[in-house]
Amino acid sequence: QVQLVESGGGVVQPGGSLRLSCAASGFTFRSYGMHWVRHAPGKGLEWVAVIWYDGSNKNYADSVKGRFTISRDNSKNTLYLQMNSLRAEDTAVYYCARERYGSYDMDVWGQGNTVTVSS
Amino acid sequence: DIVMTQSPDSLAVSLGERATINCQSSQSLLYSSNNKNYLAWYQQKPGQPPKLLIYWASTRESGVPDRFSGSGSGPDFTLTISSLQAEDVAVYYCQQYYSTPYTFGQGTKLEIK
Repeated sequence: QVQLVESGGGVVQPGGSLRLSCAASGFTFRSYGMHWVRHAPGKGLEWVAVIWYDGSNKNYADSVKGRFTISRDNSKNTLYLQMNSLRAEDTAVYYCARERYGSYDMDVWGQGNTVTVSS
Repeated sequence: DIVMTQSPDSLAVSLGERATINCQSSQSLLYSSNNKNYLAWYQQKPGQPPKLLIYWASTRESGVPDRFSGSGSGPDFTLTISSLQAEDVAVYYCQQYYSTPYTFGQGTKLEIK
């Protein structure tokens, strides 16, 4: 069964850091690009970042560039999002998602992990 | 960055009737080398992750009911639900994956009239 399970969310003060993890199972993780997408309260979906299957290329939304880092450990079938210098506007449910093989849409999603930035 | 604009923002349709959601991109999403439009449609219900419905603008994801269809090319796209069912109440998003940063439309909230 193809599955993505996020962890690591919580409440953090502005300026703080947090690392999200996304554990993959049921498919060959090292063969797929992976994304992070977030959904802030009362707003629409926002794409955050993508990493290639081998970690050789990464891209970010302008809103998180320089503060967030996407990475992966293919030996552990795990995707990460390191979030630094957090702001109130980073408060959201964060989803990891698998990129379809041969395309760039997202065909498998995790259940989401909540990050709240508040003093 | 490519800006995605959906219309309408909200829509109320009677059960069994057709629902149409539009999506316009600020530039063409048609990649000339493979003649594919780099656009997807997602459905999101409250408290759930998004679900992929359509990719390459018109290819239905496996398991998605055939009442859902996608059409369009270049900068103009449409998601059509041919006969609305109660379980289709959700927010629908288009997303371009032509170039990073990949961007979503603002979403269209679909309700029952």
